[in-house]
Amino acid sequence: EDQVTQSPEALRLQEGESSSLNCSYTVSGLRGLFWYRQDPGKGPEFLFTLYSAGEEKEKERLKATLTKKESFLHITAPKPEDSATYLCAVRVISGGSNYKLTFGKGTLLTVNP
Amino acid sequence: DGGITQSPKYLFRKEGQNVTLSCEQNLNHDAMYWYRQDPGQGLRLIYYSQIVNDFQKGDIAEGYSVSREKKESFPLTVTSAQKNPTAFYLCASKWAGADTQYFGPGTRLTVL
Repeated sequence: EDQVTQSPEALRLQEGESSSLNCSYTVSGLRGLFWYRQDPGKGPEFLFTLYSAGEEKEKERLKATLTKKESFLHITAPKPEDSATYLCAVRVISGGSNYKLTFGKGTLLTVNP
Repeated sequence: DGGITQSPKYLFRKEGQNVTLSCEQNLNHDAMYWYRQDPGQGLRLIYYSQIVNDFQKGDIAEGYSVSREKKESFPLTVTSAQKNPTAFYLCASKWAGADTQYFGPGTRLTVL
């Protein structure tokens, strides 16, 4: 069974305190790993897609990396506005030529001023 | 404005009633999806549609129904057969051949 595990479940940082969120996966046939940001009561906002081990993507204070078993979302010098739940999802084959996303439970990040 | 809209934002239902959640997109996306989000759980796929007049069950389709009569619309009906319908419902869409799904703002359904 395909599994996606995010850790930690919750993370509190002081403004400027860099850290990383983890997404580990056990899937048969990865066809992409996605990071989304979700604010309370809103829909997820797309951040990154990674396909191959060694690939990196950056956007402002965020950098996503991928290995064969996990992905990290590195947050450099975070600001309070980075507070959100960060979701990781993997794209796997779901019968025939169909694909589906399997999501982790998310990491709730709080950045204190 | 281009995007994905869901309505209503909040919905209250009495037990035994069917309710329909709206999802519309003007991005010319081909595929549309419905997910359910519960506290402490990952998003779970309810139904998806890759083309008009065709849709497939996701992982938790029991108690739900959908239709795809127009490319831009994918309404979800939560029937009285759904045992625990209180949740946050998210609609997503994407272009055929693309991998990234984009999400709407969500509808929070509460059963009274």
